[in-house]
Amino acid sequence: GENVEQHPSTLSVQEGDSAVIKCTYSDSASNYFPWYKQELGKGPQLIIDIRSNVGEKKDQRIAVTLNKTAKHFSLHITETQPEDSAVYFCAAPGGSGYSTLTFGKGTMLLVSP
Amino acid sequence: DVKVTQSSRYLVKRTGEKVFLECVQDMDHENMFWYRQDPGLGLRLIYFSYDVKMKEKGDIPEGYSVSREKKERFSLILESASTNQTSMYLCASSLLLAGGDEQFFGPGTRLTVL
Repeated sequence: GENVEQHPSTLSVQEGDSAVIKCTYSDSASNYFPWYKQELGKGPQLIIDIRSNVGEKKDQRIAVTLNKTAKHFSLHITETQPEDSAVYFCAAPGGSGYSTLTFGKGTMLLVSP
Repeated sequence: DVKVTQSSRYLVKRTGEKVFLECVQDMDHENMFWYRQDPGLGLRLIYFSYDVKMKEKGDIPEGYSVSREKKERFSLILESASTNQTSMYLCASSLLLAGGDEQFFGPGTRLTVL
């Protein structure tokens, strides 16, 4: 099955700085890479995803890059704000052709004013 | 908006009790999932279902069972709760059967087993 490694486990930045979270995956057939944000007391919510036919995708202050050769993908948040503080999870498809996901262990991002 | 609701936000049970966690989604999604979330371990898939009365084991099914009698409802059952099942339980649903699709999560149930 798929194995997803996520780093770092915690990340502290000052407001306005950039934040980068990195993930690696093991199954070269994986073709869908979502990122979820979990705010305190809530369930995770999809914030951006990328499919293997593109190398980068942007949505305002967040972007995701994908390197299929190296089997890693990254989340980039620019101009961080306190409301970006949350736990972020990367994921890659699970096996068996079903719509399952294997999640990374999560990164707690703290943005200080 | 897709809404996934879970029957309880907090639950306290005793060792050996049978525990039911209920999840309901309102968007006619085919797939439903149960995860547990533990610090440092991320989200781990317990069971999922791709159709009514269908279920598949995830990565950590031991000690759990599930029931899906109606499309919108997916129940997680702890037959005999143990202290190592103290955790946050998250339910999710998605539309597509394969190829990668957004999962919509409920707010979670924090279960404590004493």
